[in-house]
Amino acid sequence: TQLLEQSPQFLSIQEGENLTVYCNSSSVFSSLQWYRQEPGEGPVLLVTVVTGGEVKKLKRLTFQFGDARKDSSLHITAAQTGDTGLYLCAGVRDYKLSFGAGTTVTVRA
Amino acid sequence: NAGVTQTPKFQVLKTGQSMTLQCAQDMNHEYMSWYRQDPGMGLRLIHYSVGAGITDQGEVPNGYNVSRSTTEDFPLRLLSAAPSQTSVYFCASSYAGVTDTQYFGPGTRLTVL
Repeated sequence: TQLLEQSPQFLSIQEGENLTVYCNSSSVFSSLQWYRQEPGEGPVLLVTVVTGGEVKKLKRLTFQFGDARKDSSLHITAAQTGDTGLYLCAGVRDYKLSFGAGTTVTVRA
Repeated sequence: NAGVTQTPKFQVLKTGQSMTLQCAQDMNHEYMSWYRQDPGMGLRLIHYSVGAGITDQGEVPNGYNVSRSTTEDFPLRLLSAAPSQTSVYFCASSYAGVTDTQYFGPGTRLTVL
């Protein structure tokens, strides 16, 4: 059983559209990290959110940490083909990092 | 800096064989960890180390051993490979533990026949 549930599992959109990926849990995390992974490579950190209710922006990507620190979302505005990849959330709890199963995002030209 | 390096990139084993996956980092990071990634399951923690001489188990440690004799190296040993250990293995390191940025290696794709 995954500690962190990500949805949707797959997402295919047209370039220019918006998308949101969700990361949910019944557990509280001290912080939450979002990674992006490309085929044949290791994950690369995008952002870390620490405070409940925190919103961080990274160009066209907006990350939000839920008020209760149990959930998070990633919103991409005007998606580009370069946003294609596997997006993983990971929560810090009990000095360990637990990953969600990931959301595969495909942005079509 | 080379970052986190892993060898080999690909490996095929027969059931019962043993092998060691190598991981090294040149960033003087204290925290190192091993994950396996399987389709639909994300990354699962196998073992981790908070510094040389200190290791601990993660979520799925059975069938794997680790040691940390130096800050730079954190090898993962498969004692007697089983088909269930077919997976992609990632090593990661960070300066200050799990709350810090994890730097991942490129992975080792292991197939056990």
